[in-house]
Parts: sequence; C-alpha cells; structure tokens
Amino acid sequence: DIQMTQSPSSLSVSVRDRVSITCRASQTIDNYLNWYQQKPGKAPKLLIYAASSLQSGVPSRFSGSGSGTDFTLTINSLQPEDFATYYCQQSSSAPYTFGQGTKLEIK
Amino acid sequence: EVQLVQSGAEVKKPGESLKISCQGSGYNFNNYWIAWVRQMPGKGLEWMGIIFPRDSDTRNSPSFQGQVTISADKSISTAYVQWSSLKASDSGMYYCARMTVSRGCNNFDYWGQGTLVTVSS
Repeated sequence: DIQMTQSPSSLSVSVRDRVSITCRASQTIDNYLNWYQQKPGKAPKLLIYAASSLQSGVPSRFSGSGSGTDFTLTINSLQPEDFATYYCQQSSSAPYTFGQGTKLEIK
Repeated sequence: EVQLVQSGAEVKKPGESLKISCQGSGYNFNNYWIAWVRQMPGKGLEWMGIIFPRDSDTRNSPSFQGQVTISADKSISTAYVQWSSLKASDSGMYYCARMTVSRGCNNFDYWGQGTLVTVSS
C-alpha cells in the first residue's frame, strides 16, 4: 500500500492567517492526490482533486499544489468555518489510502 | 440532486451479524463506483473497498479483505457492507461515497451521512 504522511498533525492558527498543510506519498503518485475537509460529526467534503483542481463550490481561498510525492494544501485568509480536520488521499493505486489528518485549531 | 442516504445507527453484540446500506439517488447509480470508508472513534479515514453496482465488480483493501463483504443491488440503487461475526474493534463510523473521475483522477465527490456501528457486550 502507498503510505500518505501529513504534517503537521495539528496546527493552532488565527482567522485571516495563511495556512499550509503538506502531504508526502511513500512513492510517486503523479498528480493523483485529493484533499478533503471534515468537520466534527460530519462526512468529509471534497476540496481539491488531481492535486490542484478546485472542486465546484469550494471557495477560491483553498488551493493545492505538488506532484510526484510532495503536495501542499494552502488556505489563504483562514475563515472561522475553516477550522476542521483536513485529509489528503492518493488515488494512484488501490487501496486509495488517506493521510492521518491535520486538525486546525483556534489559537 | 445527488444523494447517498445510509441506514441508521446500530448497536450489536460481539459475534452478531450486521448489514448496513447506502442508497443513491439523483444520478445513474449503476455507472459510478461506490466506496466504503471507516472512521474509528477519534481516528482518521480508512479506505475499505469499492464496488461497481452495474456488475458488482469489487476491490477490497487488504486490511479489510475477509473481514467484511461489500455488495450491491442495482435494482434498488443500494450498496451494502456486511459482517458475519462482529468484533468490538469493528465499532466506528462507516461512510459510503460516490467515486468519480475528474481530470483522470479518482475522487469521492459525494458522501453519505455515515452509519455509526457500536459493538459491545
């Protein structure tokens, strides 16, 4: 299985901060990388697919970059509704493994 | 509107069997893979497997192979996960999700609301 490692595991941030979360794959996955947001008690929500494409309806302050093994999710000007846990997922080869998650907490 | 509606919460004893469901609507259920994802209490997301309802082609994660059975009934647009003998470690939230392909990349664009399974003696 391809292992996905996110960093950091948690992050204390403030509203209007710029936030970057990284995700590293244990082998090259080209751009087969997705990002999801999960709020407590809710199902995950797709934010970014194919490493850098914004899912319909997702605010433009979210962006993704990277290819190969190293990827980044960036949130510009963090809003109160963005405090959540974020997961990366590779879809290069089954099983489509997830990272362990990064929790954004209010500073 | 695309919707995936999952069956309700379950409380079971170790050794009991269980089948939970995920019904799709608002799209052609037969033409999209359905994935199952586990989330144990306070933990991350785990990919269990996927099924293509049109022909029930199934791909299981090695971590879940032999532990659960994924199936589908295309006539009622419903996918299932079942256990023949539950263990306490099967407790968790189980999500179904629709898998689509965008820019050549498989992703989960719609999710069910989740089914909470509690296994306790």
